[in-house]
Amino acid sequence: TQLLEQSPQFLSIQEGENLTVYCNSSSVFSSLQWYRQEPGEGPVLLVTVVTGGEVKKLKRLTFQFGDARKDSSLHITAAQPGDTGLYLCAGEIGNEKLTFGTGTRLTIIP
Amino acid sequence: DAMVIQNPRYQVTQFGKPVTLSCSQTLNHNVMYWYQQKSSQAPKLLFHYYDKDFNNEADTPDNFQSRRPNTSFCFLDIRSPGLGDAAMYLCATSGGLAGGDTQYFGPGTRLTVL
Repeated sequence: TQLLEQSPQFLSIQEGENLTVYCNSSSVFSSLQWYRQEPGEGPVLLVTVVTGGEVKKLKRLTFQFGDARKDSSLHITAAQPGDTGLYLCAGEIGNEKLTFGTGTRLTIIP
Repeated sequence: DAMVIQNPRYQVTQFGKPVTLSCSQTLNHNVMYWYQQKSSQAPKLLFHYYDKDFNNEADTPDNFQSRRPNTSFCFLDIRSPGLGDAAMYLCATSGGLAGGDTQYFGPGTRLTVL
């Protein structure tokens, strides 16, 4: 079983601060996806990274895929209350199935 | 322009009473997935269809069944819901390409078992 560990599991910070969420595994993934999920809703795709070392930016969110394609990070600059949610990373090994990370529940305090 | 639609959004059933959850997609994707998500946990894959080929996860209980009558629709049948089956049920689709393919999720159906 491939395991994706996310850290931290819970994070509560003040509006305007920066934060980084990590997603780590011992397995190599052909791609990795980040989702944000709000209560009572399905996960919404934020980004897919494919190439080792790849960096993608989505407004205040920066995603990085590790060189060895075993890990990823999500950095949020100047966090806002609208960033609150459950952040899930999910890795694909190439068999059309995803392995989900353990999740990071982020709360931004106004 | 919803892409993955789930109905109903909320479903209440009684212990042991069969229930069917529905998913439809406008993306013409080959693959459709059903996940179970319990509170504060990551989604757990129950099964998926690659076109008409059904792929069951080894630890999915027999109580859970699925049907995919055509490309656009997929159903999750819970034959005899127990209290432990109360959860959010998520449908997702993907194009089925290895490496870099993306799964798109519906809004989910929250199932309550009384």
